[in-house]
Amino acid sequence: SQQGEEDPQALSIQEGENATMNCSYKTSINNLQWYRQNSGRGLVHLILIRSNEREKHSGRLRVTLDTSKKSSSLLITASRAADTASYFCATVDNTNAGKSTFGDGTTLTVKP
Amino acid sequence: NAGVTQTPKFQVLKTGQSMTLQCAQDMNHEYMSWYRQDPGMGLRLIHYSVGAGITDQGEVPNGYNVSRSTTEDFPLRLLSAAPSQTSVYFCASKTPGATYEQYFGPGTRLTVT
Repeated sequence: SQQGEEDPQALSIQEGENATMNCSYKTSINNLQWYRQNSGRGLVHLILIRSNEREKHSGRLRVTLDTSKKSSSLLITASRAADTASYFCATVDNTNAGKSTFGDGTTLTVKP
Repeated sequence: NAGVTQTPKFQVLKTGQSMTLQCAQDMNHEYMSWYRQDPGMGLRLIHYSVGAGITDQGEVPNGYNVSRSTTEDFPLRLLSAAPSQTSVYFCASKTPGATYEQYFGPGTRLTVT
């Protein structure tokens, strides 16, 4: 079964608003990563947060991680129409290979 | 760099046919993986490899074989296609280890009738 579960499944907002997506997982992790997928394309890495970190920023992205609750959130501030995509969290295990397990994703639509 | 390339982009198979999905990367990544993505869902790991000559099963390996004879290539073979294997297949590569991002190919959309 999937390690990561995301909510909401779909989110529709106006340009300029903030978008928040949540991810919950079940087992211990080394880190958690967020990826973006534009329609019909491969996934692109956005940001990585280690298990000993609580918050991380990258441009308009803010990620939080709460290992006690086994949850993470991705906030996109001042959204743009170009942010329209599906967003996936991926938990990475502690093996030498560092395998990833993906959630089912949140589909974000930003209306101009 | 071309990154991760996949061929073909689209494929239609009849039930029982076999085929190989090709994946290549030019970033000298030791770790490569195959995922399938069904409509409205995330990616599920089929097989992965941490280097040439080493492969291992992921979450959904049944019906698929892989081999890794070179660092660059990681083909995925469907032995006897079934309608349940209709999906989009993504190949990815990265440096082995937990704190590295994966680089994904553009995907192969496979339909089995």
